[in-house]
Amino acid sequence: GAVVSQHPSWVICKSGTSVKIECRSLDFQATTMFWYRQFPKQSLMLMATSNEGSKATYEQGVEKDKFLINHASLTLSTLTVTSAHPEDSSFYICSVRTSGVIQYFGAGTRLSVL
Amino acid sequence: GIQVEQSPPDLILQEGANSTLRCNFSDSVNNLQWFHQNPWGQLINLFYIPSGTKQNGRLSATTVATERYSLLYISSSQTTDSGVYFCAVVNSGYALNFGKGTSLLVTP
Repeated sequence: GAVVSQHPSWVICKSGTSVKIECRSLDFQATTMFWYRQFPKQSLMLMATSNEGSKATYEQGVEKDKFLINHASLTLSTLTVTSAHPEDSSFYICSVRTSGVIQYFGAGTRLSVL
Repeated sequence: GIQVEQSPPDLILQEGANSTLRCNFSDSVNNLQWFHQNPWGQLINLFYIPSGTKQNGRLSATTVATERYSLLYISSSQTTDSGVYFCAVVNSGYALNFGKGTSLLVTP
């Protein structure tokens, strides 16, 4: 399977600041990556689909101006949480879609906004 | 979209016990995956099992697509099996639609 690296693993920031999370596919050229969010004791919910070289597709209810996604290369997608607020505190996980339907996940980023 | 329901929501086992986790889905699917999320949050692929039965060590899974359910069997459980088990199906955009998970705690 694909090896996916996600960085940072944990970030604490002040309210109003922006945070960038990186998702790298180390051994697979990924045209499609996904970003999920998981609140405590809940399931993973899809935020957006990141396509290399084109604009991301956001799920209903996810603010595209707040959660900026860039997928400039086949191995890197970034998620920037702009003007973060305490309600954005969550666990953010990226995944890489390999050929077919199987996805491999990064280790996740735990964001705490004070 | 397809609804995915898992049961039980919580499970506590003593080390060495066996368990069965269930995943029901609302419509026919040709893909279903099982994941284990460890206590640190990492999601680990267990099985891609659109139909039939697969086994990997102490874990096995069976999907009966015509009856819209899948089962995950854990035998001789160990404390390292603790975590949350998710089943998920692929939607039309190839993203995963997850169930709410079964939280498993294996005690020594």
